[in-house]
Amino acid sequence: GDSVTQMEGPVTLSEEAFLTINCTYTATGYPSLFWYVQYPGEGLQLLLKATKADDKGSNKGFEATYRKETTSFHLEKGSVQVSDSAVYFCALSDRDNAGNMLTFGGGTRLMVKP
Amino acid sequence: DSGVTQTPKHLITATGQRVTLRCSPRSGDLSVYWYQQSLDQGLQFLIQYYNGEERAKGNILERFSAQQFPDLHSELNLSSLELGDSALYFCASSVRGREETQYFGPGTRLLVL
Repeated sequence: GDSVTQMEGPVTLSEEAFLTINCTYTATGYPSLFWYVQYPGEGLQLLLKATKADDKGSNKGFEATYRKETTSFHLEKGSVQVSDSAVYFCALSDRDNAGNMLTFGGGTRLMVKP
Repeated sequence: DSGVTQTPKHLITATGQRVTLRCSPRSGDLSVYWYQQSLDQGLQFLIQYYNGEERAKGNILERFSAQQFPDLHSELNLSSLELGDSALYFCASSVRGREETQYFGPGTRLLVL
């Protein structure tokens, strides 16, 4: 079945540091890929998405490129802020499955220190 | 604000009891999804409804059931509750034709004592 693997956290960075959170996936079909963010005490917010190979999703300074050859969708940001502290989830939706359920990775907690 | 609403925000109950969680999707969205977020299992898909019909089922226990009403709101019913059912329950909805992109509600935090 489908699965998503994320690097384990927590990831602790200083403000203005470069961020990479690794995500790899296994899917039987042609998935769409997503990054969601969960701020403390809140729900999941869609951060960015990519629906086909080589697509780059971007939002709020975050980027991720759909790499089919390496089955990866790594999240990057050039300069993190304290306000980016949250849990980040990589997810996929496999169109070959009945329905469009999301399969999530385990989440990576990011802590940014001033 | 995603436009998806969930009530109640918090729920505390006892083992063996039954509760109902409610979700209203974004205006115009026909699909509703339910997910459970727990410390040991992470985020898991439970069930999807599309325009009142069940479309997909995930790791949903037999003690749990859901339905989607003609006005498109959905309810998740959890019965014979156990301590292990304590979790955050999310509802999400998606746009017709772009159903792979889901927008999540704020969740209902359930505590079973």
